[in-house]
Amino acid sequence: QLQLQESGSGLVKPSQTLSLTCAVSGGSISSGGYSWSWIRQPPGKGLEWIGYIYHSGSTYYNPSLKSRVTISVDRSKNQFSLKLSSVTAADTAVYYCATTNDSSGYYYVYWGQGTLVTVSS
Amino acid sequence: SYELTQPLSVSVALGQTARITCGGNNIGSKNVHWYQQKPGQAPVLVIYRDSNRPSGIPERFSGSNSGNTATLTISRAQAGDEADYYCQVWDSSTAPVVFGGGTKLTVL
Repeated sequence: QLQLQESGSGLVKPSQTLSLTCAVSGGSISSGGYSWSWIRQPPGKGLEWIGYIYHSGSTYYNPSLKSRVTISVDRSKNQFSLKLSSVTAADTAVYYCATTNDSSGYYYVYWGQGTLVTVSS
Repeated sequence: SYELTQPLSVSVALGQTARITCGGNNIGSKNVHWYQQKPGQAPVLVIYRDSNRPSGIPERFSGSNSGNTATLTISRAQAGDEADYYCQVWDSSTAPVVFGGGTKLTVL
């Protein structure tokens, strides 16, 4: 049973870069050909997909965030990371990492518990 | 960009059947997935690929998808089913992963 755990700074100043890491346990990030995603949820609002990465390093980003997003994978640590640059208050949200158990399916079976990131000076 | 439209809220009497819709252009040609999210918790997958239930999800949860509307059906609604429900698809022409705006289910 895969487990995902987000970590990172909970408070980021405007214009700075948000950095989060998702540690994967109970399985290898390099196996299965799965995509590894970041999803966020502003307070009181719906879910927004940020992007995903394959163990190969191939990435796909939400076009609305693409210019500011970088997702990377560290196979040696069995984790993947999110960087979001030039943040504003609109980036305040609970950030989730998530993945599937279906190499041909783009749906999310496993989720981290989520971490709240607040953008404020 | 591909958009999914859900009603903001749906109410159902205890023990009755709730239906939550997800509208999208020719959504019947796509695989639709549904998530349940309770306050302060991460979403939980309740239906994948239109009508499949993950292990541990009660048979009361079912899904269908045709034309321009996908539907999540919750039979014999219980108080514990109160939650926000989101539909999701993968669309290769836009942001590949798209979520609906979410529907708040109230069990009366």
